[in-house]
Amino acid sequence: LAKTTQPISMDSYEGQEVNITCSHNNIATNDYITWYQQFPSQGPRFIIQGYKTKVTNEVASLFIPADRKSSTLSLPRVSLSDTAVYYCLVGGQNFVFGPGTRLSVLP
Amino acid sequence: AAGVIQSPRHLIKEKRETATLKCYPIPRHDTVYWYQQGPGQDPQFLISFYEKMQSDKGSIPDRFSAQQFSDYHSELNMSSLELGDSALYFCASSLGRGGGDTQYFGPGTRLTVL
Repeated sequence: LAKTTQPISMDSYEGQEVNITCSHNNIATNDYITWYQQFPSQGPRFIIQGYKTKVTNEVASLFIPADRKSSTLSLPRVSLSDTAVYYCLVGGQNFVFGPGTRLSVLP
Repeated sequence: AAGVIQSPRHLIKEKRETATLKCYPIPRHDTVYWYQQGPGQDPQFLISFYEKMQSDKGSIPDRFSAQQFSDYHSELNMSSLELGDSALYFCASSLGRGGGDTQYFGPGTRLTVL
């Protein structure tokens, strides 16, 4: 299973764009990259998933370079309610959760 | 849209007792995963099932067992409970078990062992 590395924490202000980068140097050919958001005492919530290039949905964008050894989750115009832990996961089945990135959005 | 349902949401047990957690996947999802998240920790994969057969096994203690039934719901059985089993237990489901098959998580069951 590919190991991922993300910043442990990030601070941002309301209305700013936040980019969280995840490294996954040993990603396998058939691995997808999935990002989840988790609030305290709640189940991880799916944000976005991609395989290569760029994926965009109503809440975020995911940028994946050609070598797929990293990915960047972009959250446009964050609000206080986006304060949460964000997990980058690589693989298909049994996710290995790393420490995640604790995002704090300040007023 | 229907989500993953877990029951009970909260459970309090004494040491050495048994507990059964239930998971009802999103309709038509055929794969179920169980995760354990201790206080202040990240979720840890326990076990998964695909089409009612065990698919993969993670860090599930021998005191725990699980199965997936014909209606695709799953149960996690925990025996000889220990204080360290106190945690949030999440179930996730997906349609298929391939790399692009997104896992959707339930709200979790909070187990407290006294």
